[in-house]
Amino acid sequence: DIQMTQSPSSLSASVGDRVTITCRASQSISRYLNWYQQKPGKAPKLLIYGASSLQSGVPSRFSGSGSGTDFTLTISSLQPEDFATYYCQQSYSSPWTFGQGTKVEIK
Amino acid sequence: QLQLQESGPGLVKPSETLSLTCTVSGGSISSSSYYWGWIRQPPGKGLEWIGSIYYSGSTYYNPSLKSRVTISVDTSKNQFSLKLSSVTVADTAVYYCAGRVVPAASLYNWFDPWGQGTLVTVSS
Repeated sequence: DIQMTQSPSSLSASVGDRVTITCRASQSISRYLNWYQQKPGKAPKLLIYGASSLQSGVPSRFSGSGSGTDFTLTISSLQPEDFATYYCQQSYSSPWTFGQGTKVEIK
Repeated sequence: QLQLQESGPGLVKPSETLSLTCTVSGGSISSSSYYWGWIRQPPGKGLEWIGSIYYSGSTYYNPSLKSRVTISVDTSKNQFSLKLSSVTVADTAVYYCAGRVVPAASLYNWFDPWGQGTLVTVSS
């Protein structure tokens, strides 16, 4: 199985901050990497697919980059509604696996 | 707009079989662009893919659960189902059904949409 490791596990930030979350795969996955946002009591919501393609309806302050084993999710200016947990997921090979999550909290 | 809704018992006894159904609305479960799957999340923990099924009936399971999992599809009802046998307290989780999009013009794939999730507790 491909292991996905996110860092940090949690972070505190203020509204307006630039936030970066990192995801590392245990082997090369090309650009087969997706990002999801999950708020408490809700299902995950797709933000980014194919490492950098923004899902329709997702604000442009979200962006993704990377290829191979190292990937980044960036929120350019954190908004109140962005406080949530973020997960990366590899779609390179089955079994599909997720990172452990990064919780973004209010500073 | 495609929507998914899970249904099934919220409480299952240890050693018994967990059974859930996902109803697809707003589109056909026989779409060639989707695999239909189950993902679970233990309380306070991360996400684990359980398995997926294509409308033709082809199934793909997580090896960690394969011996206990059966996923089936009923195209006449636009539903697919999960059975997890011999459950233990470790199987207590929110269970989500989700569509795995596999666009014809792309090699990339992703989970979207998701159902709202249903909490299944394993307890005597």
